[in-house]
Amino acid sequence: SQKIEQNSEALNIQEGKTATLTCNYTNYSPAYLQWYRQDPGRGPVFLLLIRENEKEKRKERLKVTFDTTLKQSLFHITASQPADSATYLCALVGRGSQGNLIFGKGTKLSVKP
Amino acid sequence: ETGVTQSPTHLIKTRGQQVTLRCSSQSGHNTVSWYQQALGQGPQFIFQYYREEENGRGNFPPRFSGLQFPNYSSELNVNALELDDSALYLCASSSPNGNTEAFFGQGTRLTVV
Repeated sequence: SQKIEQNSEALNIQEGKTATLTCNYTNYSPAYLQWYRQDPGRGPVFLLLIRENEKEKRKERLKVTFDTTLKQSLFHITASQPADSATYLCALVGRGSQGNLIFGKGTKLSVKP
Repeated sequence: ETGVTQSPTHLIKTRGQQVTLRCSSQSGHNTVSWYQQALGQGPQFIFQYYREEENGRGNFPPRFSGLQFPNYSSELNVNALELDDSALYLCASSSPNGNTEAFFGQGTRLTVV
């Protein structure tokens, strides 16, 4: 069966460290993979998109990698800050799909001062 | 702010009732998708509308239905509400093939009692 797993439900790190979040998938052929941030009671906010033929994307303190052989994406936040505390969602767009997003459950990141 | 607005923000309904949720999409986006997010879960795709036609549907029963209007705004209707329908309902506007970010509204929190 098809599955998307974000390996940690929660991740606690110290301010200034690098947070690394993992997204694994099985039985999908994603054309794109997207990462979103969601704050409590709010809608998800787009962070980064990576295509199946791309290995890495960066935006400011954010970096995402995409390994279609391992069927895994890693999302990194460097020099983390308490304001980065939120739930981070991984979402796939299947090849040949209508473009709908298939989400993981999310990882709740807490950055302590 | 994403430019996607949803109404109402909160709603309480009784089991068996019907509900209509509304979404005004990002200017210029002709594709609107609806998602259901239960507590502690990632958003689940309900359906997508493209140029006023349903363009894809997730694993939701027919009592979940929708409309898209010529100005690309959209409605989600749920009939015969069940307790398990309690969730955050999210509307997202995007390009039709998922190769760009989706813009989410703040959501409607529906509680069925």
